[in-house]
Amino acid sequence: DAGVIQSPRHEVTEMGQEVTLRCKPISGHDYLFWYRQTMMRGLELLIYFNNNVPIDDSGMPEDRFSAKMPNASFSTLKIQPSEPRDSAVYFCASSPGTGEQPQHFGDGTRLSIL
Amino acid sequence: EDQVTQSPEALRLQEGESSSLNCSYTVSGLRGLFWYRQDPGKGPEFLFTLYSAGEEKEKERLKATLTKKESFLHITAPKPEDSATYLCAVQVASGGGADGLTFGKGTHLIIQP
Repeated sequence: DAGVIQSPRHEVTEMGQEVTLRCKPISGHDYLFWYRQTMMRGLELLIYFNNNVPIDDSGMPEDRFSAKMPNASFSTLKIQPSEPRDSAVYFCASSPGTGEQPQHFGDGTRLSIL
Repeated sequence: EDQVTQSPEALRLQEGESSSLNCSYTVSGLRGLFWYRQDPGKGPEFLFTLYSAGEEKEKERLKATLTKKESFLHITAPKPEDSATYLCAVQVASGGGADGLTFGKGTHLIIQP
């Protein structure tokens, strides 16, 4: 079975540019999560969806960040405009439910803002 | 505020030398505690879920235990392929919006042949 698929794997862009990260969750999973990983802060939850509906976006750092899930098989995380402090590895994860169901992670997008 | 603290930050062992990694947590109500393994350039890979104090789970050379304040990941007779960063995370039981995980910063484990 295919796991969570993220694209691109690496992104290098200049400050001020728009960045779009993409995620395809595991088929049949109802929950989709976006996390960010940095050396200083570790893995942090940004936002998550249940059945394509955003449930909690309290982890989104600023209005420059937005996320959408137009259907059950696709989600985007957009940063506009990007800043150097947004440089991090962004992970998408999905799960079939909560509690006892573990979240399965993609291999992430390494984002560098110059 | 929910907090997860892992120790040590890094650990270097000889092959076959058993040890334990610690994860202490402070949460309003624990729904589950998760252990993940992360290899360089990869996403976290699920290992275990623990739900209540006294629970234990095993997988090959790994055994996870849970108390009301902390969890341990015991590694018995490790091999070089066990080298990775081990992450602990909690899921909090509260009304609404409680499905994301709060992670510790991990323990970077190196097993030398």
